[in-house]
Amino acid sequence: AQSVTQLGSHVSVSEGALVLLRCNYSSSVPPYLFWYVQYPNQGLQLLLKYTTGATLVKGINGFEAEFKKSETSFHLTKPSAHMSDAAEYFCAVSLYSGAGSYQLTFGKGTKLSVIP
Amino acid sequence: EADIYQTPRYLVIGTGKKITLECSQTMGHDKMYWYQQDPGMELHLIHYSYGVNSTEKGDLSSESTVSRIRTEHFPLTLESARPSHTSQYLCASTDRGHGYTFGSGTRLTVV
Repeated sequence: AQSVTQLGSHVSVSEGALVLLRCNYSSSVPPYLFWYVQYPNQGLQLLLKYTTGATLVKGINGFEAEFKKSETSFHLTKPSAHMSDAAEYFCAVSLYSGAGSYQLTFGKGTKLSVIP
Repeated sequence: EADIYQTPRYLVIGTGKKITLECSQTMGHDKMYWYQQDPGMELHLIHYSYGVNSTEKGDLSSESTVSRIRTEHFPLTLESARPSHTSQYLCASTDRGHGYTFGSGTRLTVV
C-alpha cells in the first residue's frame, strides 16, 4: 500500500522568505511523485513531477523539489516567497495499478500563507 | 488554457433534485477520475474510468453514479441531491498516469 504524509496542514512564511513544504511517502517500489497547487475555488495545477532521472526537479513559479529515496521524501521548496504563492499544495504519489494504468494518491494538503 | 472542462462552475439546488455534473476533455485520455473535496480538505476519489464502458467506484463511498459512453465525456449524476452532497467535485484525466490534468471544479451547494 502507498500513502502520502504532508507535515503541517498550515504553513506561514513572510514574503521573501524560504518556502519549505514537507512530503513523505511510503511505497514498496520506486514511485512517481508530484506536487500540485490549488488556488481558491480552482482545480489542481501541476507544479512539478519526478518520474526518473535527476532527483532535483524544477517546476513552475520558481518551485523545486528533491526526491530523496533514503528518506522517502519529496519536499517542495522556493527560495523566496511571493504573495501570489498563497494557496493549498498537495503532494501525490503514483504507482502502477495494473492493466497499463496508474493510481494517484494525494496527501491531505498544506495551506501556505504568505505574510506581507 | 484548460483541456478539461467542467460545468457548471457553481450550482445551488434544492434537496431531492436530480443533477448531472459535466466533465469533458479534448486530450484523448483514456483514464478519467472524479474527486470530492470539502473546503480546505483533502481529495477523495469517488469514481474512475479506464476507458469507454468502464467505470469503477473509488476509495470514498458516494451515492453518485457515472457513465463513460464516449472517451471525452465522463458525467457524474446525483439522482436525489441532499445537503450532505454539498462539496466541490473535481474531474481529472490522464493518459498513462504520470500526472493528472484537472478541471476547474464544480462547487455544489444543496439547500
